[in-house]
Amino acid sequence: QVTLKESGPVLVKPTETLTLTCTVSGFSLSNARMGVSWIRQPPGKALEWLAHIFSNDEKSYSTSLKSRLTISKDTSKSQVVLTMTNMDPVDTATYYCARIPRGWYYFDYWGQGTLVTVSS
Amino acid sequence: EIVMTQSPATLSVSPGERATLSCRASQSVSSNLAWYQQKPGQAPRLLIYGASTRATGIPARFSGSGSGTEFTLTISSLQSEDFAVYYCQQYNNWWTFGQGTKVEIK
Repeated sequence: QVTLKESGPVLVKPTETLTLTCTVSGFSLSNARMGVSWIRQPPGKALEWLAHIFSNDEKSYSTSLKSRLTISKDTSKSQVVLTMTNMDPVDTATYYCARIPRGWYYFDYWGQGTLVTVSS
Repeated sequence: EIVMTQSPATLSVSPGERATLSCRASQSVSSNLAWYQQKPGQAPRLLIYGASTRATGIPARFSGSGSGTEFTLTISSLQSEDFAVYYCQQYNNWWTFGQGTKVEIK
């Protein structure tokens, strides 16, 4: 059974750095041609893709947020970590991690999401 | 960046009726298009990938069509559990989502 679960702080202050962890089970982060993305959704708004990491450690970032994002993985812990620097109230959102299946690029499994609020 | 535009923003439909949702890409994405359903407080759920292939466990009343820049999601006979927000997403050039179509009860 494939599952993904996000964890991290519920509240961060402006200018702080956010660190989120996605813990996966039911598959390995080393499986060839698979990967995990981070996607966010501000309250009442649409989904926005942020970053992706493939099993071969190749990474990709949203053009608009690239300077603030870092994605990494620890295969032994089955975890994918996203850091976002210089947080602002507009970054308040539910953050999801999601998996792409082998050989494809759509998201077949999603975590439940974690709401992060940016406020002083 | 490929921009995905969905229409309409809101669709009011009676149970049992047909719903047709549209999604347009700013440039060709071939058939690299997925549809997701999202209910309040839940994560998105994959419905369709490859523009027209239903994901595992998705009822046959959901169908997708199109290629290139124009795509359609059709729900043939709306059930109560189908009232939700629907997003299209291209995965031809990294990933971008549309703004969503809310299907509400008429």
